[in-house]
Amino acid sequence: QPVLTQPTSLSASPGASARLTCTLRSGIDLGSNRIFWYQQKPESPPRYLLSYSSDSNNHQGSGVPSRFSGSKDASSNAVILVISGLQSEDEGDYYCMIWHSSAWVFGGGTKLTVL
Amino acid sequence: QLQLQESGPGLVKPSETLSLTCTVSGGPISSTLFYWGWIRQPPGKGLEWIGSFYYSGSTYYNPSLKSRVSYSVDSSKNQVSLKLSSVTAADTAVYYCARHGSVPPIPPYWYFDLWGRGTLVTVSS
Repeated sequence: QPVLTQPTSLSASPGASARLTCTLRSGIDLGSNRIFWYQQKPESPPRYLLSYSSDSNNHQGSGVPSRFSGSKDASSNAVILVISGLQSEDEGDYYCMIWHSSAWVFGGGTKLTVL
Repeated sequence: QLQLQESGPGLVKPSETLSLTCTVSGGPISSTLFYWGWIRQPPGKGLEWIGSFYYSGSTYYNPSLKSRVSYSVDSSKNQVSLKLSSVTAADTAVYYCARHGSVPPIPPYWYFDLWGRGTLVTVSS
Protein backbone atom coordinates (compact mmCIF):
# COMPACT_ATOMS: atom_id res chain seq x y z
CA GLN A 1 0.00 0.00 0.00
CA PRO A 2 1.49 3.39 -0.94
CA VAL A 3 2.49 5.84 1.76
CA LEU A 4 0.18 8.49 0.28
CA THR A 5 -2.87 7.74 -1.86
CA GLN A 6 -4.61 10.29 -4.04
CA PRO A 7 -7.57 9.83 -6.39
CA THR A 8 -6.46 9.87 -10.00
CA SER A 9 -8.86 12.57 -11.11
CA LEU A 10 -11.45 15.04 -9.93
CA SER A 11 -13.80 17.35 -11.82
CA ALA A 12 -15.53 20.44 -10.49
CA SER A 13 -17.34 23.47 -11.83
CA PRO A 14 -16.03 27.03 -11.95
CA GLY A 15 -16.90 28.88 -8.76
CA ALA A 16 -17.41 25.68 -6.80
CA SER A 17 -15.11 24.19 -4.19
CA ALA A 18 -12.88 21.20 -4.82
CA ARG A 19 -11.65 18.84 -2.11
CA LEU A 20 -8.55 16.88 -3.05
CA THR A 21 -7.77 14.09 -0.65
CA CYS A 22 -4.43 12.60 0.33
CA THR A 23 -4.85 9.48 2.43
CA LEU A 24 -2.03 8.36 4.68
CA ARG A 25 -1.27 4.66 4.83
CA SER A 26 -2.61 2.86 7.82
CA GLY A 27 -0.17 3.17 10.67
CA ILE A 28 1.08 6.62 9.65
CA ASP A 29 -0.28 9.07 12.18
CA LEU A 30 -1.99 12.08 10.67
CA GLY A 31 -1.60 13.95 13.93
CA SER A 32 2.19 13.83 13.95
CA ASN A 33 2.94 14.49 10.31
CA ARG A 34 3.10 17.54 8.09
CA ILE A 35 1.74 17.27 4.57
CA PHE A 36 2.83 19.51 1.73
CA TRP A 37 0.81 20.28 -1.41
CA TYR A 38 2.08 21.09 -4.88
CA GLN A 39 0.35 22.18 -8.07
CA GLN A 40 1.73 21.29 -11.47
CA LYS A 41 0.54 22.59 -14.80
CA PRO A 42 1.49 21.05 -18.15
CA GLU A 43 5.09 21.58 -19.20
CA SER A 44 5.85 23.35 -15.91
CA PRO A 45 7.60 22.38 -12.71
CA PRO A 46 5.58 21.83 -9.54
CA ARG A 47 4.67 24.88 -7.49
CA TYR A 48 4.57 24.76 -3.72
CA LEU A 49 1.10 25.65 -2.40
CA LEU A 50 0.95 25.06 1.32
CA SER A 51 1.65 22.76 4.20
CA TYR A 52 -0.84 21.34 6.65
CA SER A 53 -0.32 19.97 10.11
CA SER A 54 -2.83 19.01 12.75
CA ASP A 55 -1.11 21.34 15.25
CA SER A 56 -2.40 24.25 13.15
CA ASN A 57 1.15 25.40 12.43
CA ASN A 58 0.31 25.67 8.76
CA HIS A 59 2.14 27.57 6.05
CA GLN A 60 0.94 29.20 2.86
CA GLY A 61 3.31 29.41 -0.07
CA SER A 62 4.42 32.78 -1.33
CA GLY A 63 1.78 34.31 -3.58
CA VAL A 64 -0.65 31.44 -3.10
CA PRO A 65 -4.23 32.74 -2.82
CA SER A 66 -6.10 32.19 0.41
CA ARG A 67 -8.73 30.19 -1.45
CA PHE A 68 -6.23 27.32 -1.25
CA SER A 69 -6.35 25.83 2.21
CA GLY A 70 -5.73 22.60 4.05
CA SER A 71 -7.83 20.52 6.36
CA LYS A 72 -8.11 16.97 7.55
CA ASP A 73 -10.51 14.08 7.78
CA ALA A 74 -9.31 12.23 10.82
CA SER A 75 -11.83 9.45 10.33
CA SER A 76 -10.16 8.44 7.09
CA ASN A 77 -6.61 9.46 8.06
CA ALA A 78 -6.57 11.94 5.19
CA VAL A 79 -5.42 15.46 4.55
CA ILE A 80 -7.51 17.57 2.22
CA LEU A 81 -6.56 20.39 -0.08
CA VAL A 82 -9.57 22.66 -0.42
CA ILE A 83 -9.76 25.02 -3.37
CA SER A 84 -12.67 27.41 -3.13
CA GLY A 85 -14.01 29.63 -5.88
CA LEU A 86 -12.54 27.39 -8.57
CA GLN A 87 -11.09 29.09 -11.60
CA SER A 88 -10.07 27.65 -14.94
CA GLU A 89 -6.44 28.39 -14.08
CA ASP A 90 -6.68 25.90 -11.20
CA GLU A 91 -6.68 23.02 -13.65
CA GLY A 92 -3.65 20.84 -13.27
CA ASP A 93 -2.10 18.04 -11.30
CA TYR A 94 -1.91 18.22 -7.52
CA TYR A 95 0.56 16.25 -5.44
CA CYS A 96 0.85 15.76 -1.70
CA MET A 97 4.18 15.03 -0.04
CA ILE A 98 5.38 13.75 3.32
CA TRP A 99 8.68 13.02 5.05
CA HIS A 100 8.51 9.33 5.86
CA SER A 101 11.20 6.79 6.75
CA SER A 102 13.95 9.33 6.05
CA ALA A 103 12.68 10.17 2.59
CA TRP A 104 10.33 12.60 0.91
CA VAL A 105 7.47 10.67 -0.58
CA PHE A 106 4.93 12.02 -3.04
CA GLY A 107 1.41 10.85 -3.62
CA GLY A 108 0.51 9.69 -7.11
CA GLY A 109 -1.22 12.98 -7.91
CA THR A 110 -4.76 14.08 -8.74
CA LYS A 111 -5.66 15.61 -12.06
CA LEU A 112 -8.13 18.42 -11.43
CA THR A 113 -10.41 19.44 -14.27
CA VAL A 114 -12.47 22.60 -14.03
CA LEU A 115 -15.46 22.44 -16.37
CA GLN B 1 15.86 36.61 -8.01
CA LEU B 2 17.18 33.12 -7.43
CA GLN B 3 16.85 30.75 -10.37
CA LEU B 4 17.74 27.12 -10.94
CA GLN B 5 18.74 25.70 -14.32
CA GLU B 6 19.23 22.02 -15.01
CA SER B 7 21.43 20.71 -17.77
CA GLY B 8 22.02 17.18 -18.93
CA PRO B 9 22.88 14.93 -21.88
CA GLY B 10 19.35 14.38 -23.16
CA LEU B 11 20.08 10.78 -24.14
CA VAL B 12 21.96 8.14 -22.18
CA LYS B 13 22.60 4.49 -23.06
CA PRO B 14 21.47 1.70 -20.74
CA SER B 15 24.04 0.70 -18.10
CA GLU B 16 25.84 4.03 -18.41
CA THR B 17 26.04 6.84 -15.84
CA LEU B 18 23.73 9.81 -16.09
CA SER B 19 25.26 13.16 -15.16
CA LEU B 20 23.17 16.23 -14.44
CA THR B 21 24.08 19.74 -13.34
CA CYS B 22 22.02 22.36 -11.55
CA THR B 23 23.29 25.91 -11.92
CA VAL B 24 22.07 28.38 -9.32
CA SER B 25 21.91 32.04 -10.28
CA GLY B 26 20.98 35.03 -8.16
CA GLY B 27 22.40 33.68 -4.92
CA PRO B 28 25.18 31.50 -3.51
CA ILE B 29 24.90 27.76 -3.55
CA SER B 30 26.91 27.82 -0.35
CA SER B 31 24.05 29.42 1.57
CA THR B 32 23.67 27.90 5.02
CA LEU B 33 19.89 28.19 4.72
CA PHE B 34 19.24 25.75 1.90
CA TYR B 35 19.68 22.27 0.54
CA TRP B 36 19.61 21.51 -3.16
CA GLY B 37 17.52 18.57 -4.17
CA TRP B 38 16.78 16.47 -7.23
CA ILE B 39 13.33 15.18 -8.08
CA ARG B 40 12.37 13.28 -11.21
CA GLN B 41 9.17 12.64 -13.09
CA PRO B 42 8.81 9.89 -15.71
CA PRO B 43 6.71 10.97 -18.69
CA GLY B 44 3.06 11.05 -17.72
CA LYS B 45 3.76 9.89 -14.18
CA GLY B 46 4.27 11.25 -10.70
CA LEU B 47 7.16 12.75 -8.77
CA GLU B 48 10.02 10.86 -7.14
CA TRP B 49 12.57 12.47 -4.84
CA ILE B 50 16.17 11.39 -5.54
CA GLY B 51 18.25 13.18 -2.95
CA SER B 52 19.12 16.46 -1.27
CA PHE B 53 22.56 17.94 -0.82
CA TYR B 54 24.05 20.64 1.38
CA TYR B 55 27.03 22.59 0.14
CA SER B 56 29.21 21.42 3.03
CA GLY B 57 28.48 17.72 2.54
CA SER B 58 25.34 16.79 4.45
CA THR B 59 23.14 14.62 2.29
CA TYR B 60 19.82 12.83 2.24
CA TYR B 61 19.17 10.08 -0.27
CA ASN B 62 16.11 8.19 -1.39
CA PRO B 63 16.84 4.72 0.00
CA SER B 64 15.61 3.12 -3.22
CA LEU B 65 18.22 4.99 -5.29
CA LYS B 66 21.01 5.56 -2.78
CA SER B 67 23.30 2.84 -4.11
CA ARG B 68 23.35 4.46 -7.56
CA VAL B 69 23.48 8.14 -6.65
CA SER B 70 26.43 10.41 -6.03
CA TYR B 71 26.79 14.16 -6.10
CA SER B 72 29.28 16.98 -6.07
CA VAL B 73 29.23 20.71 -5.45
CA ASP B 74 31.29 23.32 -7.28
CA SER B 75 30.88 26.51 -5.29
CA SER B 76 33.05 28.48 -7.71
CA LYS B 77 30.53 27.77 -10.49
CA ASN B 78 27.50 27.76 -8.18
CA GLN B 79 26.62 24.26 -9.36
CA VAL B 80 25.51 21.02 -7.81
CA SER B 81 25.86 17.89 -9.91
CA LEU B 82 24.14 14.54 -9.70
CA LYS B 83 25.33 11.22 -11.04
CA LEU B 84 23.06 8.21 -11.40
CA SER B 85 24.81 5.01 -12.35
CA SER B 86 23.70 1.86 -14.18
CA VAL B 87 20.70 3.51 -15.76
CA THR B 88 17.83 1.63 -17.38
CA ALA B 89 14.76 2.70 -19.32
CA ALA B 90 13.02 3.15 -15.96
CA ASP B 91 15.28 6.13 -15.33
CA THR B 92 13.82 8.00 -18.28
CA ALA B 93 12.30 11.14 -16.77
CA VAL B 94 12.30 14.88 -16.46
CA TYR B 95 14.83 15.68 -13.78
CA TYR B 96 14.19 18.74 -11.63
CA CYS B 97 16.55 20.62 -9.40
CA ALA B 98 14.76 22.15 -6.41
CA ARG B 99 15.65 24.05 -3.28
CA HIS B 100 14.45 23.39 0.23
CA GLY B 101 15.18 25.06 3.51
CA SER B 102 17.27 23.80 6.39
CA VAL B 103 15.58 25.72 9.18
CA PRO B 104 14.33 24.46 11.55
CA PRO B 105 16.85 21.61 11.34
CA ILE B 106 14.08 19.02 11.13
CA PRO B 107 13.50 17.38 7.73
CA PRO B 108 9.72 16.89 8.14
CA TYR B 109 9.41 20.70 8.14
CA TRP B 110 11.29 21.21 4.88
CA TYR B 111 9.61 21.71 1.54
CA PHE B 112 10.74 22.43 -2.00
CA ASP B 113 9.94 26.08 -2.57
CA LEU B 114 11.89 26.80 -5.74
CA TRP B 115 12.19 24.57 -8.78
CA GLY B 116 14.07 24.62 -12.04
CA ARG B 117 12.26 24.01 -15.33
CA GLY B 118 13.60 20.49 -15.55
CA THR B 119 15.55 18.59 -18.16
CA LEU B 120 14.37 15.47 -19.99
CA VAL B 121 16.68 12.50 -19.95
CA THR B 122 15.92 9.49 -22.11
CA VAL B 123 17.64 6.18 -21.54
CA SER B 124 17.82 4.27 -24.78
CA SER B 125 20.31 2.44 -26.93
